[in-house]
Amino acid sequence: DAGVTQSPTHLIKTRGQQVTLRCSPKSGHDTVSWYQQALGQGPQFIFQYYEEEERQRGNFPDRFSGHQFPNYSSELNVNALLLGDSALYLCASSQSRFEQFFGPGTRLTVL
Amino acid sequence: AQSVSQHNHHVILSEAASLELGCNYSYGGTVNLFWYVQYPGQHLQLLLKYFSGDPLVKGIKGFEAEFIKSKFSFNLRKPSVQWSDTAEYFCAVGSSASKIIFGSGTRLSIRP
Repeated sequence: DAGVTQSPTHLIKTRGQQVTLRCSPKSGHDTVSWYQQALGQGPQFIFQYYEEEERQRGNFPDRFSGHQFPNYSSELNVNALLLGDSALYLCASSQSRFEQFFGPGTRLTVL
Repeated sequence: AQSVSQHNHHVILSEAASLELGCNYSYGGTVNLFWYVQYPGQHLQLLLKYFSGDPLVKGIKGFEAEFIKSKFSFNLRKPSVQWSDTAEYFCAVGSSASKIIFGSGTRLSIRP
């Protein structure tokens, strides 16, 4: 049984560009959460998707948006990239109220 | 405001030493508490969790944590550490149906 998968593994962009990160949840999971982990910090919650709707959002600007598809996979989009967006982006999946399982992350570098 | 504080940023121990990592939280509502570990080059893994019931929780690899409601604490312990325990440890609070709030992490280095 595959766990949470994310693509791509690494990504390099320049300021002002847009980026899309992808996440496939663990089999049987219907909820996807996204987190940003800056170097030396703990993960910070961006938003959570359930039944293709954004259920909750953290303290991130509107440049960060997402989507969940009928197969429960999810995308994170970031527009107008800033240097400060450089981080490890983590996807976590869960089955409703149960524990979240994390993927390996996508390392985004903004130059 | 909801928050998690981890008091130790970097802990260095010798093999076989005992470990205790501090964690305090501020959270309204029903408390679900977690300890996650991130080994070098690997993704976040759940060490243990507390949802309800016995406040002494046992996790994988010999780790345990005690929920003390009166102190808003959830400290992680291990009686005898091994070199393979070298990793970053994160305390977290929240709900799987909602956001999880992480502490800033404690880096544990074990001298062989």
